[in-house]
Amino acid sequence: AQSVTQLDSQVPVFEEAPVELRCNYSSSVSVYLFWYVQYPNQGLQLLLKYLSGSTLVESINGFEAEFNKSQTSFHLRKPSVHISDTAEYFCAVSGTFGNEKLTFGTGTRLTIIP
Amino acid sequence: EAQVTQNPRYLITVTGKKLTVTCSQNMNHEYMSWYRQDPGLGLRQIYYSMNVEVTDKGDVPEGYKVSRKEKRNFPLILESPSPNQTSLYFCASSPGLAGGSNEQFFGPGTRLTVL
Repeated sequence: AQSVTQLDSQVPVFEEAPVELRCNYSSSVSVYLFWYVQYPNQGLQLLLKYLSGSTLVESINGFEAEFNKSQTSFHLRKPSVHISDTAEYFCAVSGTFGNEKLTFGTGTRLTIIP
Repeated sequence: EAQVTQNPRYLITVTGKKLTVTCSQNMNHEYMSWYRQDPGLGLRQIYYSMNVEVTDKGDVPEGYKVSRKEKRNFPLILESPSPNQTSLYFCASSPGLAGGSNEQFFGPGTRLTVL
């Protein structure tokens, strides 16, 4: 079984400032890792994912996350945020064997301050 | 367009009145799942299905039923809704390892209020 911890429930950031949203996971097996984003009044969309290979993965809108196996972390970063990044961000983990469920963290609400 | 659809998007009902939320995907995915989202709790899995006629309980199955008679459809049934089932519900589907990962594709959500 896996678990995910997102320690920050809310993160306020000034526009154009950098941001890091923290995610730590626990698993006894190898994992796939995901970040999903939920814009206000919408469903969840995949932002980026780590499956294998390079530990640094990037999204098309400037976010990146780095898989750190020794620290069991998958923190999400962006060097300069925009108003349009206001959303709730969910980290999720699954095992790599079979069609396993996603286990989600409790989410981090990112608020951009103009 | 590849998508997961849910209906209805919004529903207000009363305690004890049976309801069904439909979910359909057009991506030929084998794996489908229902989640509920509550403030401060993130998404919790209710039920999932690995293929037609194969369903299993997730983390919070009490008070819910599902069926998977066809690959594309995975309805969520509340036989006797109660106020603690007021929540935002998401259906999701995944190609599973056949698609290279367990990435899940989500529907737009159904906001349910039980009075």
